[in-house]
Amino acid sequence: QMQLVESGGGLVKPGESLRLSCAASGFTFRGHFMSWIRQAPGKGLEWLAYISFEGTLTYHADSVKGRFTISRDNGKNSLYLQMNSLRAEDTAVYYCAKAGTGWLDHWGQGVTVTVSS
Amino acid sequence: DVVMTQSPLSLSVTLGQPASISCRSSQSLVYTDGNIYLNWLQQRPGQPPKRLIYKVSDRESGVPDRFSGSGSATDFTLHISRVEAEDVGVYYCMQGTHWPWTFGQGTKVEIK
Repeated sequence: QMQLVESGGGLVKPGESLRLSCAASGFTFRGHFMSWIRQAPGKGLEWLAYISFEGTLTYHADSVKGRFTISRDNGKNSLYLQMNSLRAEDTAVYYCAKAGTGWLDHWGQGVTVTVSS
Repeated sequence: DVVMTQSPLSLSVTLGQPASISCRSSQSLVYTDGNIYLNWLQQRPGQPPKRLIYKVSDRESGVPDRFSGSGSATDFTLHISRVEAEDVGVYYCMQGTHWPWTFGQGTKVEIK
């Protein structure tokens, strides 16, 4: 059974860093693109980043470019999101999702990140 | 960025009645390979989003056939033939043709 489990969230102060992880199981992780998406409290969905099979190709949304970095370790079946210089507006539930050409077909349960002084 | 505009933003439907949600994109979603990467996702209360429809009209495995998608280029519709109680939630369209991928604002569906 395909499963994506995010971890690493929590409460941080503005300007601090956090690294989210997403553990994948039940499918051939190295054979799929992956993405991060977030949802601010009571708001809609915002796509953040995308990474190719081997991690050689990445895309980041302008809102996080230069602050957030997506990466993966196929040997550990894990996806990561390094988040630096966090701001209050980064407060959200962060989801990892299995991606394809133009779609996101399976999502994790999400992890909460709160940025507050 | 491609702007995805959904309407209505809220929908109150009687059980067993049909419902439809519209999604318009600010530019054509036809990709260079000829496909249109328009998806519909359902987010039930307290749950992560779940893909219902991809490439305009392809239904995800396990999704009831009362859900269907239609449209072309810039105008798309999610149809629910007979709304059931379990369909309550927020529905999003999402385009995966152009970077960055973008979502509609969401349409909240409730039972009347």
